[in-house]
Amino acid sequence: GAVVSQHPSRVICKSGTSVKIECRSLDFQATTMFWYRQFPKQSLMLMATSNEGSKATYEQGVEKDKFLINHASLTLSTLTVTSAHPEDSSFYICSANRDLNTDTQYFGPGTRLTVL
Amino acid sequence: AQSVTQLDSQVPVFEEAPVELRCNYSSSVSVYLFWYVQYPNQGLQLLLKYLSGSTLVESINGFEAEFNKSQTSFHLRKPSVHISDTAEYFCAVSSMNTGFQKLVFGTGTRLLVSP
Repeated sequence: GAVVSQHPSRVICKSGTSVKIECRSLDFQATTMFWYRQFPKQSLMLMATSNEGSKATYEQGVEKDKFLINHASLTLSTLTVTSAHPEDSSFYICSANRDLNTDTQYFGPGTRLTVL
Repeated sequence: AQSVTQLDSQVPVFEEAPVELRCNYSSSVSVYLFWYVQYPNQGLQLLLKYLSGSTLVESINGFEAEFNKSQTSFHLRKPSVHISDTAEYFCAVSSMNTGFQKLVFGTGTRLLVSP
């Protein structure tokens, strides 16, 4: 299989706090991972591409100081939402390419972030 | 830049009826095409994909999609749907411009199957 997990599945935090979301590839190595954001009843929007051992590449309009990405190993990427505000409330989804096969992304189950 | 259009935001259908979910894309270079399914409160699952070769691709649960280059379409079909097929379906494209790595998604089509 190609299983991607995310933790936590749900998180509620107060405005101004930081939240870390983990994305793990459980049964394969992922050189590249992707972070998406999905608003209610809307499509997924790519936020950034995370490469193991190097800096993430952010899409236009995404604040890199707001959404910190660390891809420290071939099976783990983390997204930290710093100083979260209510407008950051969303569904965050990660995906990964399996090994060197870059044609297909496998998605995690998502993390529902609610900022009060 | 690539774009994906899913004109139908919602498709209601009765159980055992056929269904077609439409997807059109825009790209000036070679593309890969994907259909993903999202069940309530879950992440996306790959349903099927077209990379090359036969233009008709099938999934294990009875869905199929046909790549039509001249019409720039990749419509998803199933001859007989089940209640359990109720979900959100996303069409996505990647292109040679980004090494086929970045996915661009359509806005999704909610398939509602009723008894």
